[in-house]
Amino acid sequence: AQTVTQSQPEMSVQEAETVTLSCTYDTSESDYYLFWYKQPPSRQMILVIRQEAYKQQNATENRFSVNFQKAAKSFSLKISDSQLGDAAMYFCAYSPDNYGQNFVFGPGTRLSVLP
Amino acid sequence: DAGVTQSPTHLIKTRGQHVTLRCSPISGHKSVSWYQQVLGQGPQFIFQYYEKEERGRGNFPDRFSARQFPNYSSELNVNALLLGDSALYLCASRWGTSAPGYTFGSGTRLTVV
Repeated sequence: AQTVTQSQPEMSVQEAETVTLSCTYDTSESDYYLFWYKQPPSRQMILVIRQEAYKQQNATENRFSVNFQKAAKSFSLKISDSQLGDAAMYFCAYSPDNYGQNFVFGPGTRLSVLP
Repeated sequence: DAGVTQSPTHLIKTRGQHVTLRCSPISGHKSVSWYQQVLGQGPQFIFQYYEKEERGRGNFPDRFSARQFPNYSSELNVNALLLGDSALYLCASRWGTSAPGYTFGSGTRLTVV
């Protein structure tokens, strides 16, 4: 069974600084997708960024980028120029396909942004 | 456009009771999935429905059941509630097989006392 681990229960960053959230996963599949979701106090899970395992190029979305190391099964999220609105729970998720038929989520990292 | 809507937003039930949670997907979305998120943990997959058929089931007891209606809305039913069923229940929808991923609702907070 696939598992997702986030070893940082809590992180904090100063406004405008950069922070990296860690995620490791375990799978025997060769094709899969990885996601970072953000969950603010409103509780809605919001997709931040998505990475296809067959693509070597790391995904980027504005201030958000990932460092995908397939051999090491590592998928970290870098947030640049952190903003107060970035404060939330961040979940790393694995899916066997892009359609998210069955996400496996990590336990989450609570990110605080300090003014 | 309305997003994924779930009702009710909060619910308190007594042990042993039955509960029904409802989800309306984004218009045109045919696939709905349900997740349970216990406080302090990541969401866990319960069910996936596509075109009114069950396409996936997570590791949950038979007390949990779901269905999808012709208008693609969905219900999650939980019988014989236990204290451990207290959680945030999230519904997510997507259009079909070429969608970029799921859109989540804001969930139903279920408290079992």
